[in-house]
Amino acid sequence: RKEVEQDPGPFNVPEGATVAFNCTYSNSASQSFFWYRQDCRKEPKLLMSVYSSGNEDGRFTAQLNRASQYISLLIRDSKLSDSATYLCVVETGFQKLVFGTGTRLLVSP
Amino acid sequence: DGGITQSPKYLFRKEGQNVTLSCEQNLNHDAMYWYRQDPGQGLRLIYYSQIVNDFQKGDIAEGYSVSREKKESFPLTVTSAQKNPTAFYLCASSSRGQDEAFFGQGTRLTVV
Repeated sequence: RKEVEQDPGPFNVPEGATVAFNCTYSNSASQSFFWYRQDCRKEPKLLMSVYSSGNEDGRFTAQLNRASQYISLLIRDSKLSDSATYLCVVETGFQKLVFGTGTRLLVSP
Repeated sequence: DGGITQSPKYLFRKEGQNVTLSCEQNLNHDAMYWYRQDPGQGLRLIYYSQIVNDFQKGDIAEGYSVSREKKESFPLTVTSAQKNPTAFYLCASSSRGQDEAFFGQGTRLTVV
C-alpha cells in the first residue's frame, strides 16, 4: 500500500461548482498534513495545513479523519483560477514529508 | 528576502556524466528535501536531511547522492548510475520536518 494515495482525476467541473478531493495515508502515527497547489511547470505552494479540528480559508475547507486515515479538501464556488493540481502531503514519521500523486482540477466556464 | 534558491533552472547533461544541482536556503530551516517529478506525475522523495551532516534515503535514492555540510545547503548529484534522469527536480525545506515545506523554483534536467 502506498504511503499516501490520491485520485489523479482529472475532475472537470463548471464554474461555481463545489468539488471535493480525498487523500488516504497508511501511517497511523502521522502528525502533520497539508494541501498544496501546483500550477503547470511550477513549484508546489502551500494551500493550507490540515488540523484535527478542521480548518477553513475562504472557499476552501480541509478536514482530517484519523479513524479512517484520510484528509479531504472541499472547494466551494469554483473559479477558473482554481484549475491546478492539488497535492496532499503527509508527514509519515521520522519527519519525512511524502506527497501524493496529485489530483488535477479543471474548472470550465 | 528569505527563500530557497535552486540553480540552474535548466540543465542539460550528456549520458554518462554526473551533474550537481544546487539548493540553498536562508530560512534557517533544519530540514531539507529533494523530490523528483516526471511529467503528469506526483513528487517522489529522493533524499531528505533533518540536520547537518545527516541525511536519509527516500523512495528513489538509487543513482543519486547528497551532502549536508552546511545548514543552508543541500546539493544533489545525479550520477551516471541514474538511468532515466530527465525530470523536474524540486528542493524544499521546513523548520522541523513536520511544518510546511517551502520549495525552490526547481531545476529541469534533460539528458541529451
